[in-house]
Amino acid sequence: AQTVTQSQPEMSVQEAETVTLSCTYDTSESDYYLFWYKQPPSRQMILVIRQEAYKQQNATENRFSVNFQKAAKSFSLKISDSQLGDAAMYFCAYRSASNAGNMLTFGGGTRLMVKP
Amino acid sequence: DSGVTQTPKHLITATGQRVTLRCSPRSGDLSVYWYQQSLDQGLQFLIHYYNGEERAKGNILERFSAQQFPDLHSELNLSSLELGDSALYFCASSVGGTMRGTQYFGPGTRLLVL
Repeated sequence: AQTVTQSQPEMSVQEAETVTLSCTYDTSESDYYLFWYKQPPSRQMILVIRQEAYKQQNATENRFSVNFQKAAKSFSLKISDSQLGDAAMYFCAYRSASNAGNMLTFGGGTRLMVKP
Repeated sequence: DSGVTQTPKHLITATGQRVTLRCSPRSGDLSVYWYQQSLDQGLQFLIHYYNGEERAKGNILERFSAQQFPDLHSELNLSSLELGDSALYFCASSVGGTMRGTQYFGPGTRLLVL
């Protein structure tokens, strides 16, 4: 079974600075998807960014980018120019690309605090 | 707004009772997933339906059941409720095309069992 680990329970960053959240995963599969979801105090789960394992290029969405290291099974999220609205729980998630493994497996989450 | 709707938003009930949570997926999405988020278990996958058929089961208790109807909405039924069933229950639907594999989440139903 796949596992996802987020080793940083809490992180803090100064407004306008850059922060990197870590995620590692364990899988024997070669084709899969990785995601970062944001959960603000409203508890809504919001998709931040998506990476397909077969793509070598790291995904980028505005101020959010990932560092995907397939061999190391590492998938970190970089938030640039941090804003107060970025304060939230961030979850890393894995999904197999096979039809039998459609569910998301989540890490334990990292709480990000943004200091004004 | 993800396009996934869930009702009710909040539910308070007593131990031993039965509740039904409802989910409507994004327009055109055939898959519905249910997840449970609790303080001690984190986010866990419960069950997946695709076009009315059950596709996968996760850590879903026998007291819990789900179904997906012909109009693609889904219901999660929780019976003989226990205090430990208090959690946030999410429904998600998945998309195809260039964003294949991505799941978009509804706002969740907060269940409190007293």
